[in-house]
Amino acid sequence: DGGITQSPKYLFRKEGQNVTLSCEQNLNHDAMYWYRQDPGQGLRLIYYSQIVNDFQKGDIAEGYSVSREKKESFPLTVTSAQKNPTAFYLCASSRQGSNTEAFFGQGTRLTVV
Amino acid sequence: GENVEQHPSTLSVQEGDSAVIKCTYSDSASNYFPWYKQELGKRPQLIIDIRSNVGEKKDQRIAVTLNKTAKHFSLHITETQPEDSAVYFCAAPYRRDKLVFGAGTILRVKS
Repeated sequence: DGGITQSPKYLFRKEGQNVTLSCEQNLNHDAMYWYRQDPGQGLRLIYYSQIVNDFQKGDIAEGYSVSREKKESFPLTVTSAQKNPTAFYLCASSRQGSNTEAFFGQGTRLTVV
Repeated sequence: GENVEQHPSTLSVQEGDSAVIKCTYSDSASNYFPWYKQELGKRPQLIIDIRSNVGEKKDQRIAVTLNKTAKHFSLHITETQPEDSAVYFCAAPYRRDKLVFGAGTILRVKS
């Protein structure tokens, strides 16, 4: 079954802790993206990667980090430096850059407790 | 800057009426304009897209129009049904590799 998978679906974190959100795709897509979704603010780009071992900051990268060691995987770490991490996080991939359809994972809802 | 503005933020229509959502973009080199639908609790999914070499594209009850000169594109839904109720997002590439989304439109179809 091809697709893009995020895990976990729900995640709780204590203040001051780092947490890593998983994103895996078996679509053989080159490009991968991380978005944050807050009510009334649409989808804001955190980081994106067009090829393995390369990634760029998006519009709200502060307090986040990523890696792209494998084509299939693009994990996002929410660090303690992120002041307001409670949000819904969506990972997406596309075959080639931003000019092709993006496929989204089911999302991870992160709550800081 | 890399901006995609989307209007309106909420839209209520009576079942059977039409709905129109508009977006403007900033990068004149953008050449791909998708629209995504996100139902409550689900992931966004592509419903229609258009490339810059055409001005309009239709798929049953939905259509997208593009005005490259004015840098805006619109989603048109005709004969709306309750199942059309969702959040709709437009998007556009910025400098080729960033996919930037609008803030979204909450569409409510009243039966």
